[in-house]
Amino acid sequence: EVQLVESGGGLFQPGGSLRLSCAASGFTFSNFWMAWVRQAPGKGLEWVATINQDESEKYYMDSVKGRFTVSRDNGKNSLYLQMNSLRAEDTAVYYCVREHILYYVFDIWGRGTMVTISS
Amino acid sequence: DIQMTQSPSTLSASVGDRVTITCRASQSVSNWLAWYQQKPGKAPKLLIYEASSLKTGVPSRFSGSASGTEFTLTISSLQPDDFATYYCQQYSTFWKTFGQGTKVEIK
Repeated sequence: EVQLVESGGGLFQPGGSLRLSCAASGFTFSNFWMAWVRQAPGKGLEWVATINQDESEKYYMDSVKGRFTVSRDNGKNSLYLQMNSLRAEDTAVYYCVREHILYYVFDIWGRGTMVTISS
Repeated sequence: DIQMTQSPSTLSASVGDRVTITCRASQSVSNWLAWYQQKPGKAPKLLIYEASSLKTGVPSRFSGSASGTEFTLTISSLQPDDFATYYCQQYSTFWKTFGQGTKVEIK
């Protein structure tokens, strides 16, 4: 079964750091672009970052550029999101998503991990 | 960034109704437009890609169309399982943006 499982969420302080992880299974992880999408409580979906297969291309939404870093370990079938200089507005459910190999849409989603930034 | 504007924000409908949701892009995205369905507490699910291509396994009552920068998701006969929030998304650039969502409620 194709599956993405996020971990690393919780309650964190403003200005702090955390790293989200996503474990992939059921497909050849190294063949796919991957991304993070977030959803603040009661709000809509917001694309955060995208990474290609060999980490040579990375793209970020403006509000996280310079604070967040997306990375991956193809040997461990894992995707990561390092989040620094945390702000209250980063509070959201963070979803790990797979981009379809041909159509570039988000075809597989994890269940998400909740990140709360509060003092 | 390309802005995606959905309408309406909320839609009240009954089982069996034909439902139409519109999404307008601030500039051309060609047909690089997807639709997702999200139920409360769950991750979104892909329904349609390339504006009108139905993902395998999605019921045929769902369809998508495009006219310039305006895109439409139609549910031909609303079923109880279809009450959810729907999002459009453009993926014509690496900076992929979503619409604000349309909640389909029971009338």
